[in-house]
Amino acid sequence: GENVEQHPSTLSVQEGDSAVIKCTYSDSASNYFPWYKQELGKRPQLIIDIRSNVGEKKDQRIAVTLNKTAKHFSLHITETQPEDSAVYFCAASIGGTSYGKLTFGQGTILTVHP
Amino acid sequence: SAVISQKPSRDICQRGTSLTIQCQVDSQVTMMFWYRQQPGQSLTLIATANQGSEATYESGFVIDKFPISRPNLTFSTLTVSNMSPEDSSIYLCSVGGGLNSGNTIYFGEGSWLTVV
Repeated sequence: GENVEQHPSTLSVQEGDSAVIKCTYSDSASNYFPWYKQELGKRPQLIIDIRSNVGEKKDQRIAVTLNKTAKHFSLHITETQPEDSAVYFCAASIGGTSYGKLTFGQGTILTVHP
Repeated sequence: SAVISQKPSRDICQRGTSLTIQCQVDSQVTMMFWYRQQPGQSLTLIATANQGSEATYESGFVIDKFPISRPNLTFSTLTVSNMSPEDSSIYLCSVGGGLNSGNTIYFGEGSWLTVV
């Protein structure tokens, strides 16, 4: 089955700096890659996603890049703010009859210091 | 996005008992799933809730321990049976493939279970 590796496990940055979280996946059939943000005591919230027919997607301060050849995708957060502090999870899905079945990375604890 | 309601939001359960978690969506969805998130861990898929038929379980999860129902396209239940402290987790319902969710997967608010 699919395996998703996420790095780093913890990331500490100063407010205003950029943060990058990387994930690799094992199944070349995966075609949907969402990123979720989970604040303490809350559910995971989708922040951005990308599909395999796209190499990059941006939404204000957040961007995701996908390299299908290397089987990795990354989350980029620019101009970080203290409210960006949370656990971030990447995930991958094969789609087709397995659409919606997400395999998650281990998570990255992001801390943004004021 | 789809509005997903889960009940209960939190519960403290006695060892050996069973608890049923409900997931209600405000619109019809094709896909409904149940995930578990153990303390400090990532999310793991338990099963796909299939409308009108038996759920499809992932490796390591069995129907006797986690019976699932899905009577229609907006509702599903997950029962955690014969609970032990190791079952203390957040249980999350997720949905996709509906008018309000499209091809995106959204999560319910989660049910925080503590087994004592």
